[in-house]
Amino acid sequence: QVHLQQSGPGLVKPSQTLSLTCAISGDSVSDNYAGWNWIRQSPSRGLEWLGATRFRSRWDSYYAESVKSRIVIIADTSRNQFSLQLNSVTPEDTAVYYCARDRYWNYDYWGQGTLVTVSS
Amino acid sequence: QTVVTQEPSFSVSPGGTVTLTCGLNSGSVSSSYFPSWFQQTPGQPPRTLIHNTNSRSSGVPDRFSGSILGNKAALTITGAQADDESDYYCLLYLPGDIWVFGEGTKLTVL
Repeated sequence: QVHLQQSGPGLVKPSQTLSLTCAISGDSVSDNYAGWNWIRQSPSRGLEWLGATRFRSRWDSYYAESVKSRIVIIADTSRNQFSLQLNSVTPEDTAVYYCARDRYWNYDYWGQGTLVTVSS
Repeated sequence: QTVVTQEPSFSVSPGGTVTLTCGLNSGSVSSSYFPSWFQQTPGQPPRTLIHNTNSRSSGVPDRFSGSILGNKAALTITGAQADDESDYYCLLYLPGDIWVFGEGTKLTVL
């Protein structure tokens, strides 16, 4: 059974960096058939896929156009986790953030969600 | 910009059948977009109902089914129940290894 445990601050100031981590148990972040995703949800924007990282003989990351200029998703193999960094946040980035695994195009495991509020 | 379209709202009677659809502003949806469907209830992560067009996820009742109808992906609920009242989202896999969610459909059962 795979479990994804999210951690990170629930309050970030405008213009600063939002950082969240997703710790994996029951699978390896280096799983050749898995993608490790970040998704957010807000009342105004619904569900929004932000990006993913995955290992296919090398590490690659993929990002949504809407956040491409200010997002980094990176895996940490020593801790078996992956992280999200979203730079230059504004109140529009206030949302519940989820990490999720996709394997064979199936989003089969999700983190518990983290409400992140961007406010001074 | 790619937009994934869904009906904003839909209504179904208890025991009735409803089909929600998922389209693309730039063309047709096919199985090569690996459409998925999610049910979202407040305060919970999305629940995956269907993946790869028509594969039902573990524990999902067989009254939920996925397909391609014409140029769209479709989620059909047969024999709707009161607790099916929820928001439903589709998700498509697009060229460039990116995923895009639809805007969501609010389903009312009454």
